[in-house]
Amino acid sequence: RKEVEQDPGPFNVPEGATVAFNCTYSNSASQSFFWYRQDCRKEPKLLMSVYSSGNEDGRFTAQLNRASQYISLLIRDSKLSDSATYLCVGNRDDKIIFGKGTRLHILP
Amino acid sequence: EPEVTQTPSHQVTQMGQEVILRCVPISNHLYFYWYRQILGQKVEFLVSFYNNEISEKSEIFDDQFSVERPDGSNFTLKIRSTKLEDSAMYFCASRTGGPQHFGDGTRLSIL
Repeated sequence: RKEVEQDPGPFNVPEGATVAFNCTYSNSASQSFFWYRQDCRKEPKLLMSVYSSGNEDGRFTAQLNRASQYISLLIRDSKLSDSATYLCVGNRDDKIIFGKGTRLHILP
Repeated sequence: EPEVTQTPSHQVTQMGQEVILRCVPISNHLYFYWYRQILGQKVEFLVSFYNNEISEKSEIFDDQFSVERPDGSNFTLKIRSTKLEDSAMYFCASRTGGPQHFGDGTRLSIL
């Protein structure tokens, strides 16, 4: 299994809809997890950390399933400004592994 | 909000030349990183640095790469003899105890 794996998309979703991404990880990238977003030709920006108990930040909810080795991101009431690439990130010790990212296009 | 800053924003260099990319991490951060992203590909970890030494490095980070923290504020990445395939966006990041914060990158173009 690749260290961090994501569906590249693109996901084309109408504005206001709910969209969910999954990401699977291997043991080499399994201590802590984050979701970043990256706009075209820009730096990755932290969206949220992912906690074992699941966590929510406004319209965004992250879940971690250690038994199945996946994490998820749910975006509710999607907005045009949510269009970006969403990067799943895992780490072990001080080695940080990015997934290839999932592209999301919110359609007006 | 404090930021990681990188200079230059774009560097054009002839193949075989040395290049130094500069970063100023957030001032109270203790862990520093370099990543690269080749156009259209994923962000790739290069190296992490803590307590004035490399703590982890990837297989990409070979002998032509080096990092240095020459003073209390700068963190540099040196590529000794650049190759065409070094053309990429290079991101610096820093953290202290939590997730990493990224600079806006240096676009390196090797001719």
